[in-house]
Amino acid sequence: DAGVTQSPTHLIKTRGQHVTLRCSPISGHKSVSWYQQVLGQGPQFIFQYYEKEERGRGNFPDRFSARQFPNYSSELNVNALLLGDSALYLCASSSGLRNRVLGGEQFFGPGTRLTVL
Amino acid sequence: KQEVTQIPAALSVPEGENLVLNCSFTDSAIYNLQWFRQDPGKGLTSLLLIQSSQREQTSGRLNASLDKSSGRSTLYIAASQPGDSATYLCAGNYGGATNKLIFGTGTLLAVQP
Repeated sequence: DAGVTQSPTHLIKTRGQHVTLRCSPISGHKSVSWYQQVLGQGPQFIFQYYEKEERGRGNFPDRFSARQFPNYSSELNVNALLLGDSALYLCASSSGLRNRVLGGEQFFGPGTRLTVL
Repeated sequence: KQEVTQIPAALSVPEGENLVLNCSFTDSAIYNLQWFRQDPGKGLTSLLLIQSSQREQTSGRLNASLDKSSGRSTLYIAASQPGDSATYLCAGNYGGATNKLIFGTGTLLAVQP
């Protein structure tokens, strides 16, 4: 079975540009979360989506947005890129069964390495 | 504020040694705790998930424990191998409306052959 997939693998942008990152969760998983990991730090939570609804947002500016599609894949969009947005962006999926606690095991994709010049 | 701390930041051991990685969390109302492995420049690989009602979980040479009262979790690696060299991250999940994980900064493990 395929795990969590993310595209692209690497991306180089310049300041002020816009970027779209994509994630496909494990088959059957309905919850997708996005994390940002800067070098030397643990991942920081950006968004969680479940059944196409935003369920949580971390402490990130409005330049960051996301959405989830009917097939449960997700996009993370970042506008007006800054040098500080350079990081590894990770996507995680979990089953997120609505009538049970959402805190199930989470599985991460390989990440997208974003470099902003 | 919910925070997760990992000590030490880096650890080097000779091959074959048993070792313990430490994780501390500030809020005992944790729902579950997950240990991950991360190779350089790669994504996270889930190692073990411990629910708040459990005291420990085992997978092969790995054993993770959880003590909510003291706010601590440990990851025990038996008979370490050079292939275990990686960064190990622990993350707390406090449940609720989201399943946001709060991560520590990780322990960089080097197992010397």
